[in-house]
Amino acid sequence: EPEVTQTPSHQVTQMGQEVILRCVPISNHLYFYWYRQILGQKVEFLVSFYNNEISEKSEIFDDQFSVERPDGSNFTLKIRSTKLEDSAMYFCASSDRGRNYGYTFGSGTRLTVV
Amino acid sequence: AQSVTQLGSHVSVSEGALVLLRCNYSSSVPPYLFWYVQYPNQGLQLLLKYTSAATLVKGINGFEAEFKKSETSFHLTKPSAHMSDAAEYFCAVSYNTDKLIFGTGTRLQVFP
Repeated sequence: EPEVTQTPSHQVTQMGQEVILRCVPISNHLYFYWYRQILGQKVEFLVSFYNNEISEKSEIFDDQFSVERPDGSNFTLKIRSTKLEDSAMYFCASSDRGRNYGYTFGSGTRLTVV
Repeated sequence: AQSVTQLGSHVSVSEGALVLLRCNYSSSVPPYLFWYVQYPNQGLQLLLKYTSAATLVKGINGFEAEFKKSETSFHLTKPSAHMSDAAEYFCAVSYNTDKLIFGTGTRLQVFP
């Protein structure tokens, strides 16, 4: 069964450093998403991406965050200057027909900011 | 505000017993509703979804859920729990936007 692949599975970074979280969505999917889950809290929407542009973003997704689909296969989330409160599990997801049909999620990247 | 509430952060059942995980939504417009399962150290896997077709939705692994508009509920059930069902279960809702709003999750424990 096709999978969404996320790398790395765990990343530790120092506060203020830039990190890039990588995702390879399912190949024929057109809609891409990032969510995050702070330990012990809800899964929260960050951003959706379609047709090479952001289609929706949450209030969490401020100027320190950016997304990119650099080469037609990868989908990346960049955090420019990490803060302690960015520590969370970050999930990438993709869909072939949008939210109504459900997403396929990756297994996540655990980001720890120290 | 549009939201989803999962009653019970932890549910424990015996193997073979009925599983009932509760989810209520708040909305003034018809929602799309989803249940996801998360096994330890894994991502979120779609169990089932309601998208305004049949109100009783069957999903994977023997789970099903019924959309009840009058009760604004979408409870997840399984007639007979299996040890492998132990996981975290998330109810999620979407409305007219491209995002899912998740509940806080319910951890299901299954005892032999």
